[in-house]
Amino acid sequence: GQQVMQIPQYQHVQEGEDFTTYCNSSTTLSNIQWYKQRPGGHPVFLIQLVKSGEVKKQKRLTFQFGEAKKNSSLHITATQTTDVGTYFCAGRSSGNTGKLIFGQGTTLQVKP
Amino acid sequence: KAGVTQTPRYLIKTRGQQVTLSCSPISGHRSVSWYQQTPGQGLQFLFEYFSETQRNKGNFPGRFSGRQFSNSRSEMNVSTLELGDSALYLCASSPDRADQETQYFGPGTRLLVL
Repeated sequence: GQQVMQIPQYQHVQEGEDFTTYCNSSTTLSNIQWYKQRPGGHPVFLIQLVKSGEVKKQKRLTFQFGEAKKNSSLHITATQTTDVGTYFCAGRSSGNTGKLIFGQGTTLQVKP
Repeated sequence: KAGVTQTPRYLIKTRGQQVTLSCSPISGHRSVSWYQQTPGQGLQFLFEYFSETQRNKGNFPGRFSGRQFSNSRSEMNVSTLELGDSALYLCASSPDRADQETQYFGPGTRLLVL
């Protein structure tokens, strides 16, 4: 079945350093979504990418969708302590009616 | 609009018992999905309901079941609880339109099985 893998599982950075998490799917995706879950909270939607090679930015966050629509990345420039949390990618392989499969998540710790 | 609500927020059960969790989606959302979250396994998809029909199902045993009512509210049931069922159960609703597939998560129900 469809699998979505995310690396790394954990990342500790010093405040001000950059951070990147990578997401890889075993199948071609119709779209990919990114969520952030703060400690003790629930996942909150960040962004959705649909087009091959798409790049979207939200302030210090840059999201990319691979040309083959099987991988994606989230890059945070100059991390801040407010960036702490677990970042999940989630992919759907069959339009908007297929299962949304989440990656294992990357937990980011930021040292002030 | 009010967000997704889940009840109860916390639950303690013993092995062999059954449990029913409830989810009220955001008004107007027709799709409701359920996920199990554990530290070791991340977010595991349980099932998705749309217009009272199960549209997708994850790889969980038949002890896990769910349903959706005409007002889009959803319940999930776990029978014959096992220790490994201890987890955070998250419900998410979605407008389920081609341009709006965002999942809006509720706060979750934390289930502890003793």
